[in-house]
Amino acid sequence: AQTVTQSQPEMSVQEAETVTLSCTYDTSENNYYLFWYKQPPSRQMILVIRQEAYKQQNATENRFSVNFQKAAKSFSLKISDSQLGDTAMYFCAFMKHGGNAGNMLTFGGGTRLMVKP
Amino acid sequence: KAGVTQTPRYLIKTRGQQVTLSCSPISGHRSVSWYQQTPGQGLQFLFEYFSETQRNKGNFPGRFSGRQFSNSRSEMNVSTLELGDSALYLCASSFGKQTQETQYFGPGTRLLVL
Repeated sequence: AQTVTQSQPEMSVQEAETVTLSCTYDTSENNYYLFWYKQPPSRQMILVIRQEAYKQQNATENRFSVNFQKAAKSFSLKISDSQLGDTAMYFCAFMKHGGNAGNMLTFGGGTRLMVKP
Repeated sequence: KAGVTQTPRYLIKTRGQQVTLSCSPISGHRSVSWYQQTPGQGLQFLFEYFSETQRNKGNFPGRFSGRQFSNSRSEMNVSTLELGDSALYLCASSFGKQTQETQYFGPGTRLLVL
């Protein structure tokens, strides 16, 4: 079974600054995907970024980038130029790849991020 | 393209009753997954349906069941409701043609059991 750990329950950052959210995971699988999802107060879960484990290059999406360290089983999210609209719960998630794994996400406990003006 | 829709958005039930929640996936998506979100347990996977067949199942009691129709719409049913079933229920859809695809979530159904 896979586990995902987010060690920072809450974080805050000043608008326009950079913040990094941590995520570690435990798995015996070699092929998998990692995701960061954002859940604002509306509770709508929104995909932020996705990383395939077989890719060495870190994924980026505009102001969002990840630092994927496969050997260390670490997957942190960096948000640059933070905006007030980034205020939300952020969830790190794991999905197995291959075989008959289907679509099943294992989530971490979440990090509540507050962006301050 | 319309997103994932869930109905109803809010629901209040009493212990012992049963409830049915509905999820309509993004057009063209054939896989629907269900998740339960609670403050204590976080986000937990319930089950996944693809082409009207359950493909994956999480660790939930048999009171939780689901099904998928030929148009890919899915329903989940909870029988004999307990107070602990109060939660936000999220469904997510993906194409499902190949597994391990990105899932897109609906707005959720908030269930309160009294």
